[in-house]
Amino acid sequence: GAVVSQHPSRVICKSGTSVKIECRSLDFQATTMFWYRQFPKQSLMLMATSNEGSKATYEQGVEKDKFLINHASLTLSTLTVTSAHPEDSSFYICSARFQGENIQYFGAGTRLSVL
Amino acid sequence: QKEVEQDPGPLSVPEGAIVSLNCTYSNSAFQYFMWYRQYSRKGPELLMYTYSSGNKEDGRFTAQVDKSSKYISLFIRDSQPSDSATYLCATANSNSGYALNFGKGTSLLVTP
Repeated sequence: GAVVSQHPSRVICKSGTSVKIECRSLDFQATTMFWYRQFPKQSLMLMATSNEGSKATYEQGVEKDKFLINHASLTLSTLTVTSAHPEDSSFYICSARFQGENIQYFGAGTRLSVL
Repeated sequence: QKEVEQDPGPLSVPEGAIVSLNCTYSNSAFQYFMWYRQYSRKGPELLMYTYSSGNKEDGRFTAQVDKSSKYISLFIRDSQPSDSATYLCATANSNSGYALNFGKGTSLLVTP
């Protein structure tokens, strides 16, 4: 199956700093990428959907100024958690879908811990 | 009401047992049905993908979709300890940009 690479896998940072997470589709061009957040023992919650070259669409309750998403190319999307606080600590997962298929392929996730 | 309901378990079975995992959904517009497996602290891995009603088999895994009752199932035959993971069902439709609606996930433990 298609491969989605997510980096870094683990981040520990101080409160107030910004953290960037990268999501790359390695062997296909992703027309759409998705960003999810997952708390322990909970399901994945969709944060935003991004299409290459256009602004991301955020789900209700997700602050777009807090979680900046950039999808500058067909193989790369980034999520920046700005001025991170302890309550932003979570598992962030990206996925990618390419045109012609309705399947989402997931990255390995990034565990963010804000001290 | 959540769009996709799934019993979180945990479900514990002995090695070799047949495992049955189920989800119900409320939106009849859903067209695509998927099962993902997620190991602890990892991203979900696609196991099965089904369009509309019917059965699909892949090795030890069988997915069933019954759109009339809005019920989706995953069966695992000859379960192995390596199958221990959380299993997430998901639905999607073209009208919402194929965004996935996930169930809560069922935690499965297969004991040797």
